[in-house]
Amino acid sequence: GAGVSQSPSNKVTEKGKDVELRCDPISGHTALYWYRQSLGQGLEFLIYFQGNSAPDKSGLPSDRFSAERTGGSVSTLTIQRTQQEDSAVYLCASSLDGSGGLNDFGSGTRLTVV
Amino acid sequence: LAKTTQPISMDSYEGQEVNITCSHNNIATNDYITWYQQFPSQGPRFIIQGYKTKVTNEVASLFIPADRKSSTLSLPRVSLSDTAVYYCLVGDIGGGSYIPTFGRGTSLIVHP
Repeated sequence: GAGVSQSPSNKVTEKGKDVELRCDPISGHTALYWYRQSLGQGLEFLIYFQGNSAPDKSGLPSDRFSAERTGGSVSTLTIQRTQQEDSAVYLCASSLDGSGGLNDFGSGTRLTVV
Repeated sequence: LAKTTQPISMDSYEGQEVNITCSHNNIATNDYITWYQQFPSQGPRFIIQGYKTKVTNEVASLFIPADRKSSTLSLPRVSLSDTAVYYCLVGDIGGGSYIPTFGRGTSLIVHP
C-alpha cells in the first residue's frame, strides 16, 4: 500500500518568505509526527498529532513555525518569514495509534533558504 | 526521558559481523529499546525493538543484558548496502503518546 507521502521533495525559497510543507500519512494512522534534520545531525522533534487530542507542540523552535492537521489526515507545516537556519530536511512520520515503533517515515522535504 | 550514548562512527568490512552498543543507564521500567537505520536522503527505517534478553528478526539481532542499562545491535555479515546511520532509542512505547527521540546515531561505513 501507499506509504507516507511528502511534498514538495525539494523547496528553495528566499529569506523572509513563507513556506508550506505537506504530509499525507498512511490511511487510518491516527498519529502524525514532524521532525527536521539539519545536515549531519540527528532528527529534531517538532510536533505530534494524535487523533482529536491537542497537538504536542513542544518541539517547535519558534512562533514562526506552525502545523495543522485537517480531518485527522493531511498535515501542513508552515514556516513564516523563513531564515537561513531553517534550511533542513523536514520529515513526516505516521503510526497507527501513537504506540510502538515508528515504521513509516516519508522521504522528506529538503528546504533551502537563500 | 532516558538518555542514550552510542559511538559516533564505526568502520567495518563486507562479510563481517558488526555490533553497535548503546548505553542507557537510566532506562525506566516501562521503556523499550528500538533501533532505526537511516540511509542518505531517506527517513529512518525501523529495524528492531526489544525489552529484555534477545530479539532476532530477518535483519538483525538485539541483545539486552539483565540490567537493561545497555543494548547491542548485531548485524550479521554486513554488505556495502548496510552503510547507514543507526539510531538507538529508549522510551515507553505504550499509552498512545510515544514521541521517538533521536540522537546523533552511529554512522556505520562498510568497506569492500
